[in-house]
Amino acid sequence: DGGITQSPKYLFRKEGQNVTLSCEQNLNHDAMYWYRQDPGQGLRLIYYSQIVNDFQKGDIAEGYSVSREKKESFPLTVTSAQKNPTAFYLCASSSAAQETQYFGPGTRLLVL
Amino acid sequence: AQKVTQAQTEISVVEKEDVTLDCVYETRDTTYYLFWYKQPPSGELVFLIRRNSFDEQNEISGRYSWNFQKSTSSFNFTITASQVVDSAVYFCALSEPSSNDYKLSFGAGTTVTVRA
Repeated sequence: DGGITQSPKYLFRKEGQNVTLSCEQNLNHDAMYWYRQDPGQGLRLIYYSQIVNDFQKGDIAEGYSVSREKKESFPLTVTSAQKNPTAFYLCASSSAAQETQYFGPGTRLLVL
Repeated sequence: AQKVTQAQTEISVVEKEDVTLDCVYETRDTTYYLFWYKQPPSGELVFLIRRNSFDEQNEISGRYSWNFQKSTSSFNFTITASQVVDSAVYFCALSEPSSNDYKLSFGAGTTVTVRA
């Protein structure tokens, strides 16, 4: 089945720790995105990538980093510089820019 | 400034009632795209519809229908004969090619609760 997978479903971070969220897609999509969702709010763009080895900052990139070494994978690292990381993180992909974005099941990050 | 406004925070209806979700958007682009997504309690966003700015035809898909009116910058969504499985948060979103970041600008969402 084609789709987007995210792991883990829940992630706990200690103070000062970097953690990495996984996003994999087998839809052969060129573009991938990371969004953050806070309670009662819509989604905000963290980073996006149109092609392999290229990515751009979104609206709230501070405290986050990404890589795009493979077309299928777009991992997000939440660094210790992100002071308020507790949120629901959603990964998405689209066949090309401006095409429909399809979302994964999300990862909920909590701070211990 | 908020580009997508969903004025209704929560709507509660009894099963079989119709429910209409409002979405008002703001853009200077002549070409843009509008979307509706459903977020059930599991959290995953489910794509419902994509509409480009040049296509103002209303659309119906089963119990779902969409009313796009450029004159009022609105893209409203109606669920006819609601069912308990329709309970979810619904998001309206806007994509503007001129922004070059290909992001979706989301509204804050409307929580729909359908009671049996």
